[in-house]
Amino acid sequence: GAVVSQHPSWVICKSGTSVKIECRSLDFQATTMFWYRQFPKQSLMLMATSNEGSKATYEQGVEKDKFLINHASLTLSTLTVTSAHPEDSSFYICSAIQVLNTEAFFGQGTRLTVV
Amino acid sequence: KQEVTQIPAALSVPEGENLVLNCSFTDSAIYNLQWFRQDPGKGLTSLLLIQSSQREQTSGRLNASLDKSSGRSTLYIAASQPGDSATYLCAVIGGNQFYFGTGTSLTVIP
Repeated sequence: GAVVSQHPSWVICKSGTSVKIECRSLDFQATTMFWYRQFPKQSLMLMATSNEGSKATYEQGVEKDKFLINHASLTLSTLTVTSAHPEDSSFYICSAIQVLNTEAFFGQGTRLTVV
Repeated sequence: KQEVTQIPAALSVPEGENLVLNCSFTDSAIYNLQWFRQDPGKGLTSLLLIQSSQREQTSGRLNASLDKSSGRSTLYIAASQPGDSATYLCAVIGGNQFYFGTGTSLTVIP
């Protein structure tokens, strides 16, 4: 199957700093990428949907100024957690689809710990 | 709004047993349904994708069925192995949205 690479797999940062997470589709062009957040023993919570070249669509309750999403190319989307706080500590996962309503492929996730 | 429920939340079976995981959804107007596996601290691995026009998909020991009219999908795992231990998630795809179930945590006991 197709491969989606997410980097880094884990990161520890200090409160107040910003962290960037990358999501790349390695062998296909992703028209749409999704960013999820997952709390321990819970399912995935959609944060935002991004289409290449346009602004991301954020889910209700997700702060767009805190979670900056850029989908500058058909193979790369980035999530930047700005001014990180300990409550931002979580597991973040991206996914990508080639064409609307086809199979989605997921990155391996990023474990963010803010201290 | 689409709501996806998975039952049971946790399941423990002895090795070799056949098992069924259930997924139900409230809005039958879906495009596809996808089953995933997630190992602890890892991302999601796609297992099976069932398009709305299909009734089932099979891959190895896995068989997934879809009944849109009743809002249900099942994932059947034959001859379970300890390596099957993981959390299994179903996701309903409608438009550009993925709606995830709460997951079933499976433990296969050697």
